[in-house]
Amino acid sequence: DQQVKQNSPSLSVQEGRISILNCDYTNSMFDYFLWYKKYPAEGPTFLISISSIKDKNEDGRFTVFLNKSAKHLSLHIVPSQPGDSAVYFCAASAWSGGSNYKLTFGKGTLLTVNP
Amino acid sequence: NAGVTQTPKFQVLKTGQSMTLQCAQDMNHEYMSWYRQDPGMGLRLIHYSVGAGITDQGEVPNGYNVSRSTTEDFPLRLLSAAPSQTSVYFCASSWRGSQPQHFGDGTRLSIL
Repeated sequence: DQQVKQNSPSLSVQEGRISILNCDYTNSMFDYFLWYKKYPAEGPTFLISISSIKDKNEDGRFTVFLNKSAKHLSLHIVPSQPGDSAVYFCAASAWSGGSNYKLTFGKGTLLTVNP
Repeated sequence: NAGVTQTPKFQVLKTGQSMTLQCAQDMNHEYMSWYRQDPGMGLRLIHYSVGAGITDQGEVPNGYNVSRSTTEDFPLRLLSAAPSQTSVYFCASSWRGSQPQHFGDGTRLSIL
């Protein structure tokens, strides 16, 4: 049962336009959400996160929106640049007692930004 | 500051062989974890550790063992490799499990 879903395997946008990557989750116990970016042959790198007590978080060109009632979050990249071309993973964290946190990842969305 | 270092980068094993994937971090992070990435599957948590001497299972722990004798190291052991364990393995660490994790560059493992 997939608890974090990224329903678009790929997305293609023009340089300078907005990229919107979407993520849905099913587990209401998730309280912290993250986006990671991954280039080929490298490990994922942390991009931006949001706590469940917020509905928006911005960091430069990247903004994450959280809609708890819809169990949906999205990552907006404005303006998109060719260097943003990568696989983007949505991840969600749930506390499971003590210091235990488990991160659940979506399957990823391949973003291609065309010059 | 090397971050999270994984060795080896590539490995080919035969079915039934054993192997240890090494992971070391130099950031004094308490939380460390292992993931596998398979095509179309995203990253799945294998095992994690909240500190030296403490480990726990993730989503897909079968066929893997871990130990955490020091803060820096978190090796992953395959006792009897199976073709289904062909994957890319990532190690990650963070100050606490609630914080963003730093990932290594992965070990690509093929089991014939």
